[in-house]
Amino acid sequence: DAMVIQNPRYQVTQFGKPVTLSCSQTLNHNVMYWYQQKSSQAPKLLFHYYDKDFNNEADTPDNFQSRRPNTSFCFLDIRSPGLGDAAMYLCATSGTGGTEKLFFGSGTQLSVL
Amino acid sequence: GENVEQHPSTLSVQEGDSAVIKCTYSDSASNYFPWYKQELGKGPQLIIDIRSNVGEKKDQRIAVTLNKTAKHFSLHITETQPEDSAVYFCAATPFDYKLSFGAGTTVTVRA
Repeated sequence: DAMVIQNPRYQVTQFGKPVTLSCSQTLNHNVMYWYQQKSSQAPKLLFHYYDKDFNNEADTPDNFQSRRPNTSFCFLDIRSPGLGDAAMYLCATSGTGGTEKLFFGSGTQLSVL
Repeated sequence: GENVEQHPSTLSVQEGDSAVIKCTYSDSASNYFPWYKQELGKGPQLIIDIRSNVGEKKDQRIAVTLNKTAKHFSLHITETQPEDSAVYFCAATPFDYKLSFGAGTTVTVRA
């Protein structure tokens, strides 16, 4: 009965080789988020979708892009991964207007060789 | 934007003792304060939350208190057990979505 599903669980890519991480949800939440979490740090918000509206954090590198083709799915594209992009990437969803509990997926651990 | 500070960064307690983690926030408009538990290799999971119109909330061995005047809130875990060992994050938001997280507290429960 997983509600926020991330694939793959582990992803290995090469320096500079584009990679896509995926997230799906069964909660019908209108907000979807992508966080980057490095070891022993808090999750750092990269961007979020409020319905179809894309909202980028000011300090998110241009190397990171996202797509949300429908309510249920959201993708994180890293165009040219660098060694510093190795991290856990967490997808999360929430409702709005008093239903803002954040539900996280299990994450994708990205390694860059 | 909202800034959340969390203390301590690490906490070691004897099994059966209590653990307390404290957070302060900067935006007096913040109205929602959740706590998340993250086990190694997993995503954070919501364990308890509180809204600004409530001063305290309890769920079994876990409780959260909120002091709006001082702009701080705390997580209390009583009768700690080994399975309570994890990283705990506090968060706050003045909006109805988009949380600001504290830096996390690594809790170790010693058997």
